[in-house]
Amino acid sequence: DTGVSQNPRHKITKRGQNVTFRCDPISEHNRLYWYRQTLGQGPEFLTYFQNEAQLEKSRLLSDRFSAERPKGSFSTLEIQRTEQGDSAMYLCASSLGVGLVKTGANVLTFGAGSRLTVL
Amino acid sequence: GIQVEQSPPDLILQEGANSTLRCNFSDSVNNLQWFHQNPWGQLINLFYIPSGTKQNGRLSATTVATERYSLLYISSSQTTDSGVYFCAVEPRNTGGFKTIFGAGTRLFVKA
Repeated sequence: DTGVSQNPRHKITKRGQNVTFRCDPISEHNRLYWYRQTLGQGPEFLTYFQNEAQLEKSRLLSDRFSAERPKGSFSTLEIQRTEQGDSAMYLCASSLGVGLVKTGANVLTFGAGSRLTVL
Repeated sequence: GIQVEQSPPDLILQEGANSTLRCNFSDSVNNLQWFHQNPWGQLINLFYIPSGTKQNGRLSATTVATERYSLLYISSSQTTDSGVYFCAVEPRNTGGFKTIFGAGTRLFVKA
């Protein structure tokens, strides 16, 4: 397994365009997370999936953002009608969790990120 | 929601020096992780340490869950230790498995 893979690594787009990022998690991991990181800040939680179910969304995830994880494998994060404020690094992480009970480790493994620049 | 505060925000060390980074959190946590983000942006998990002490080479970490803080020790620092160190916690008293990050400590090690 090559770890968490994200594509594209860099995306430059004009304001108003739509963009889509893809994340391929570690194959045996059932949880998948999306974070956004702006310059000088820590990663901010956007959403996470357990298998194919999207269990939580941050209020940062406006209606222009949508994330999917069909079949519980890879995930996509789409941003519609991009704005300059969307410029950031979008990070994906995966983990192996046990059910919905808060026990056991939930160690996150991150991908290299997808950097978005909106002109 | 839970607050995660890291200190110091910035740190400059001479190669070979030791340092201690601190993470305070405002509520009980189920998990706590330390990450290093290298200059290319890759986040690497250093420790999973909800309580107790762990060591890995020149790095060690201690979490005192009852007092809601964790410490990351870097000994004999090297230039390759430069980057940003993040503490990340999973709150215990909320549903779900959301992991919340602090703002980080930016470390620069001079040769």
